Amino acid sequence: DADVTQTPRNRITKTGKRIMLECSQTKGHDRMYWYRQDPGLGLRLIYYSFDVKDINKGEISDGYSVSRQAQAKFSLSLESAIPNQTALYFCATSDLPGDGQFFGPGTRLTVL
Amino acid sequence: AQKVTQAQTEISVVEKEDVTLDCVYETRDTTYYLFWYKQPPSGELVFLIRRNSFDEQNEISGRYSWNFQKSTSSFNFTITASQVVDSAVYFCALSEQGAQKLVFGQGTRLTINP
Repeated sequence: DADVTQTPRNRITKTGKRIMLECSQTKGHDRMYWYRQDPGLGLRLIYYSFDVKDINKGEISDGYSVSRQAQAKFSLSLESAIPNQTALYFCATSDLPGDGQFFGPGTRLTVL
Repeated sequence: AQKVTQAQTEISVVEKEDVTLDCVYETRDTTYYLFWYKQPPSGELVFLIRRNSFDEQNEISGRYSWNFQKSTSSFNFTITASQVVDSAVYFCALSEQGAQKLVFGQGTRLTINP
């Protein structure tokens, strides 16, 4: 089984709809992250969490919210999706500061 | 503020050629970590290497090698005798000890032609 899983893997939605992307991990890591990837822009950090009670905004948090339901679960929500949120979204986990991050398979989101 | 620049947007070579992917970084921290990730056409991100700022030794892993030079703030990645399976987007990333989060470069799309 994969260490970091994301659901759904693909999603097409309409402008204005609320959508939730879910991430689960079995690595036992405290740190979890949400990124989006756009062509030519690399990966940009949306939100990150260092434990269940700790949530931090990243570089591009506007239009997004997150929930850390448990050590193993970190969800990303788009309250009212818009077309420029069409992107590939990745969840990642890490253990200690400076450790490499382990990424989920990604969720391809299209907002029409 | 931390920043990573991968100036090469796309590189295309013929199989068996050697190829070097450049990565230049900016940071004010004295303790930081550098990474390379591979993203094959299937889309997942694969961790390749981690290097901390106090370890300037070059590293070799099979056909892959990494050259870390603090004097030029560079962490370049060389693939020797490239193969078609090396075709992917490669990302360089930086994590400062204080910030504790990764900043990625824009990525270099590498195409190895048969």
